[in-house]
Amino acid sequence: DAGVTQSPTHLIKTRGQQVTLRCSPKSGHDTVSWYQQALGQGPQFIFQYYEEEERQRGNFPDRFSGHQFPNYSSELNVNALLLGDSALYLCASSLLGPTSGNTIYFGEGSWLTVV
Amino acid sequence: GQQLNQSPQSMFIQEGEDVSMNCTSSSIFNTWLWYKQDPGEGPVLLIALYKAGELTSNGRLTAQFGITRKDSFLNISASIPSDVGIYFCAGPYSGGGADGLTFGKGTHLIIQP
Repeated sequence: DAGVTQSPTHLIKTRGQQVTLRCSPKSGHDTVSWYQQALGQGPQFIFQYYEEEERQRGNFPDRFSGHQFPNYSSELNVNALLLGDSALYLCASSLLGPTSGNTIYFGEGSWLTVV
Repeated sequence: GQQLNQSPQSMFIQEGEDVSMNCTSSSIFNTWLWYKQDPGEGPVLLIALYKAGELTSNGRLTAQFGITRKDSFLNISASIPSDVGIYFCAGPYSGGGADGLTFGKGTHLIIQP
């Protein structure tokens, strides 16, 4: 049973460019969340997708956008990259529900470096 | 989102010692989660708590949901080298039960030989 898979694992972009990160959720999961983790910090919630719609959003600018596909996989897009966007981007999948906490699984993340 | 304060920031202990760390919130939570993150990997769930006063164990790990619903504690007994890593507390981003998560800044556990 495959867990959460993310791609690419590492990438380097230039300021002003755009990036797309991809996530395949754990089999049977219907909800995907994205997080940004800067070095030495805890993950910061970006947004959550359920039934192909953004269900909840954290405190991130509109440069950060996403999409969920009918097969529950998801993409995170970041436009007009800034140096401060350099971070580990984590995808988490879960089953929506009141005890969803114990169904949340994280991928290994995509390391983004902006130069 | 909610603010989580996690302490201590780091711990230097000897193998075999017990470890205690805690997390406090500025608001009431109805879920507390504890994660461990190893270098180069995503966080892995250790324990999930859903009820005030709840005490739950996972092997040598024990976590408690504070009765005020604004705090939680994680204890590790008889630490071993593989316990090294960063431990995060987390709760629902907006205080609900089926949300994205807000995380503390982590407790970095280092075990001295």
